[in-house]
Amino acid sequence: QSVLTQPPSVSGAPGQRVTISCTGSSSNIGAGYDVHWYQQLPGTAPKLLIYGNNNRPSGVPDRFSGSKSGTSASLAITGLQAEDEADYYCQSYDSSLPRVFGGGTKLTVL
Amino acid sequence: QVQLQESGPGLVKPSETLSLTCTVSGGSISNYYWSWIRQPPGKGLEWIGYIYYTGTTNYNPSLKSRVTISVDTSKNQFSLKLSSVTAADTAVYYCAKVVAWFDPWGQGTLVTVSS
Repeated sequence: QSVLTQPPSVSGAPGQRVTISCTGSSSNIGAGYDVHWYQQLPGTAPKLLIYGNNNRPSGVPDRFSGSKSGTSASLAITGLQAEDEADYYCQSYDSSLPRVFGGGTKLTVL
Repeated sequence: QVQLQESGPGLVKPSETLSLTCTVSGGSISNYYWSWIRQPPGKGLEWIGYIYYTGTTNYNPSLKSRVTISVDTSKNQFSLKLSSVTAADTAVYYCAKVVAWFDPWGQGTLVTVSS
């Protein structure tokens, strides 16, 4: 039971757009703390996908984008590809826990 | 490009202490924060704690009584000790460099708690 809530799963067909939500509260996202996103491909370590709400590290395709509003954040993936099938995690800061992760969302490409 | 590599026993007996080391290559451990994160099989990520190169630490309150993270700047390494382990501590343990976010990550090492 993480303080950041993500849907357990989302799915989409190749080429479609999907979004993954990350819902927090006034002690984390709503307090103004940044949200970061990670992609974990099967059997591998998580990889930074988005930092500081909407910034992409070098090498991350611009098909991935992040946004934040109020007590929630979202990761959007456009032009869905088979290689995007992975687990996605949001992460932020909470007043009770300096680093906190969402529960993770499994993306299935149909 | 900084790279991290975890090392340590893959099997620990219940009630004993889990010990792992993370070796940092391609850059200095100085002037940065470094963290341990774990992931039980089939489950999500849990932040364990972090350490500054000076030795200042911050731990997850849920694990604080059992966790010690230390740093050896001469070896460019930092370490994790988790005491009194149970089966619930079975997980892949990752080390990572910390800013506000975690990047990069080590490849992870599976530690199984079993007699």
